[in-house]
Amino acid sequence: AQKITQTQPGMFVQEKEAVTLDCTYDTSDQSYGLFWYKQPSSGEMIFLIYQGSYDEQNATEGRYSLNFQKARKSANLVISASQLGDSAMYFCAMDGNKLVFGAGTILRVKS
Amino acid sequence: GAVVSQHPSRVICKSGTSVKIECRSLDFQATTMFWYRQFPKQSLMLMATSNEGSKATYEQGVEKDKFLINHASLTLSTLTVTSAHPEDSSFYICSAKDRVTNEKLFFGSGTQLSVL
Repeated sequence: AQKITQTQPGMFVQEKEAVTLDCTYDTSDQSYGLFWYKQPSSGEMIFLIYQGSYDEQNATEGRYSLNFQKARKSANLVISASQLGDSAMYFCAMDGNKLVFGAGTILRVKS
Repeated sequence: GAVVSQHPSRVICKSGTSVKIECRSLDFQATTMFWYRQFPKQSLMLMATSNEGSKATYEQGVEKDKFLINHASLTLSTLTVTSAHPEDSSFYICSAKDRVTNEKLFFGSGTQLSVL
């Protein structure tokens, strides 16, 4: 069975600083994908970044980067130069035979 | 980027009525669409996987007769909450997998259902 674990219910970060949101996963699949989504208070799910299990390089998308450590089964999201608009709920998800979400981490950016 | 349109964004209905929620992929074909339910400050719970032209696959504990899913075309899936009750009040969100890339999943903007 697939499982995603996000151990940080909430995080604070100072504006312009970097923050790491933790995500670990468990799966018996050899091929899988890892996603991060942002959900602001409006409810929409915004795709941030994707990492395939066979990708050798860590994925990056602008200020977002994914620290993929396959042996440790972790896929942490790093947000650099935090902005006030980054305050939201962040979900890690894994796509094997179906998409499974972690519990989420609420990020608050302080000015 | 790919867009998934979900309608309505908010609906209030009386207990006992049925509510239909539409999910459309606007600029791509989606062979697979997913329906999720989310309670406040909680994660998304997968309800069912919908494949075009075939019956939906429901997750354990989800009543298929209560939550009817129809995926009639490559761009449209609908979720009908039948005989809604107050406990069905929740945020429902759909997602669609791009047939071509088959990796990224795009989400609709969600539907807040309130059953009185």
